[in-house]
Amino acid sequence: DQQVKQNSPSLSVQEGRISILNCDYTNSMFDYFLWYKKYPAEGPTFLISISSIKDKNEDGRFTVFLNKSAKHLSLHIVPSQPGDSAVYFCAARGSSNFGNEKLTFGTGTRLTIIP
Amino acid sequence: DAGVIQSPRHEVTEMGQEVTLRCKPISGHNSLFWYRQTMMRGLELLIYFNNNVPIDDSGMPEDRFSAKMPNASFSTLKIQPSEPRDSAVYFCASTSGLRANTGELFFGEGSRLTVL
Repeated sequence: DQQVKQNSPSLSVQEGRISILNCDYTNSMFDYFLWYKKYPAEGPTFLISISSIKDKNEDGRFTVFLNKSAKHLSLHIVPSQPGDSAVYFCAARGSSNFGNEKLTFGTGTRLTIIP
Repeated sequence: DAGVIQSPRHEVTEMGQEVTLRCKPISGHNSLFWYRQTMMRGLELLIYFNNNVPIDDSGMPEDRFSAKMPNASFSTLKIQPSEPRDSAVYFCASTSGLRANTGELFFGEGSRLTVL
């Protein structure tokens, strides 16, 4: 049972326009949500995160929005650049008593920026 | 600073053979994770360790899979015997401290396993 879902396997966006990547989750106990970016033949790298007590977090061209009532989060990239072409994974962290909680990942969305 | 180091980067083996994947976490990190990436299921957590102790191995597919962390700087993931459906990219990740509190992991470059 996929607790974190990315329903769009791929997305193509014109350079300079906005890229919007979406993610849905089912577990209301998740306390942090993250986006990771992955280039071919490399490991995923952390991009941006948001606490479940917030609804927006911004870092340069990247903004993550969280809608808890809809159990939905999105990543906005403005403006999109060719170097943003990669696979983007949405991830959610469940709380535990150990202080090093595990992440549940979605299946990823391949973003292609068209020059 | 060195990141998470995994070896081998690529492994091709025949069904039934034993496979051992290795990971060296970032120095000072006290949590280590093993993930598997497939097209169908994305990134799945197999097992994670905190201070060298396995905390959650519920993602380990079956008894053919085992993982160890004998010390803070080394971990192995072993598959014995291997099967074609084990073909995937296996990632090791580590984290510690404040970054662990927000879920930020540092991944290695992965080990691509092909079982024929």
